[in-house]
Amino acid sequence: AQSVAQPEDQVNVAEGNPLTVKCTYSVSGNPYLFWYVQYPNRGLQFLLKYITGDNLVKGSYGFEAEFNKSQTSFHLKKPSALVSDSALYFCAVRPTYNFNKFYFGSGTKLNVKP
Amino acid sequence: GAVVSQHPSRVICKSGTSVKIECRSLDFQATTMFWYRQFPKQSLMLMATSNEGSKATYEQGVEKDKFLINHASLTLSTLTVTSAHPEDSSFYICSATRGADSSETQYFGPGTRLLVL
Repeated sequence: AQSVAQPEDQVNVAEGNPLTVKCTYSVSGNPYLFWYVQYPNRGLQFLLKYITGDNLVKGSYGFEAEFNKSQTSFHLKKPSALVSDSALYFCAVRPTYNFNKFYFGSGTKLNVKP
Repeated sequence: GAVVSQHPSRVICKSGTSVKIECRSLDFQATTMFWYRQFPKQSLMLMATSNEGSKATYEQGVEKDKFLINHASLTLSTLTVTSAHPEDSSFYICSATRGADSSETQYFGPGTRLLVL
């Protein structure tokens, strides 16, 4: 079965510290990988995606993500967290063979404290 | 660019009535639109995929007659919740893609909060 796992329901970090939000996946082939952020009562905003090439992908608002094929992981990172980064983060995976399938992780709530 | 809107943002209705939610791509033509449902503190559940001018493809377990999807143009898709009941209360989110390649990003609307009394 295809699946995306975000093992942490919640991540707490102090402002100015680095943050990592974890994502692993079990999707056949070489899927495309995405990160989205959701603020309360809002839709999802695209942060970044990995298609091919360098394993480190840079995205919006200073976020980046590291793709690790052997570990089938795509962890989201930011060198210095801001209070305004507090939100719900979703990892999503799309198989290359099925355009209509988009598998989401369960989401990780990021809390950045001043 | 790549803005998707939804209307209404919030709707409260009585049990048994039908509710229509619109999803529009404002600055691009969307080859495909997706409809999701999100329960509190949970992830998004894909309900159906729609392409302009053709019938929607529903995910397993989603009632086609309950959730009617019409993709009238390359910039508009509608979801109608027919004979709504309290258990249909949820946050409905649409998304759209510009192309038909799997590497395309989905652009999400802001969501519609439905409350059925």
